[in-house]
Amino acid sequence: NAGVTQTPKFQVLKTGQSMTLQCAQDMNHNSMYWYRQDPGMGLRLIYYSASEGTTDKGEVPNGYNVSRLNKREFSLRLESAAPSQTSVYFCASSERGHVGYTFGSGTRLTVV
Amino acid sequence: GQQVMQIPQYQHVQEGEDFTTYCNSSTTLSNIQWYKQRPGGHPVFLIQLVKSGEVKKQKRLTFQFGEAKKNSSLHITATQTTDVGTYFCAGPGSSASKIIFGSGTRLSIRP
Repeated sequence: NAGVTQTPKFQVLKTGQSMTLQCAQDMNHNSMYWYRQDPGMGLRLIYYSASEGTTDKGEVPNGYNVSRLNKREFSLRLESAAPSQTSVYFCASSERGHVGYTFGSGTRLTVV
Repeated sequence: GQQVMQIPQYQHVQEGEDFTTYCNSSTTLSNIQWYKQRPGGHPVFLIQLVKSGEVKKQKRLTFQFGEAKKNSSLHITATQTTDVGTYFCAGPGSSASKIIFGSGTRLSIRP
């Protein structure tokens, strides 16, 4: 009963480096989401995948790319990290629609 | 785009006092959800409200959806230290597959 698993939990990058945040869910959910959370800014949607094979931009997609690898996995890639991307990143999943998201435990990313 | 505004941003109460957070939208919402995030943790789904004027209770927590379906509130009676965290409301986004979160109300408690 793992739910949503995110890796890594912590990461420090240098400006310009690239990395991929991994997310996997074992609840057979159709929809998956990537959010970032900054102090005082709440949760902002980066990208989402309504179903396997589709991805769409959210509120703050610039500087990120995503891949819905299969129904279970949804990854977030930073091609050239910038200090402004220092944040906590959460992956979430839900049944088709928008009820009752299940969140992963988050990735705390620092870009120096 | 669709936005849900949440107030207050912070609330600091004495243990045992009540707490309320409010969520407002400029447009009618088909539903509203509430989440709780403990310090250092991740958001956890609490409840969904769908009907106009709906009231639901979970122990000391009371959730209300306004008659016009443009506002909602979460009320906690007799707060306990376990209630500490940030409470978010969330409403449907521009597509059926996503929700937009309010900015949250952070609750801290003096023991």
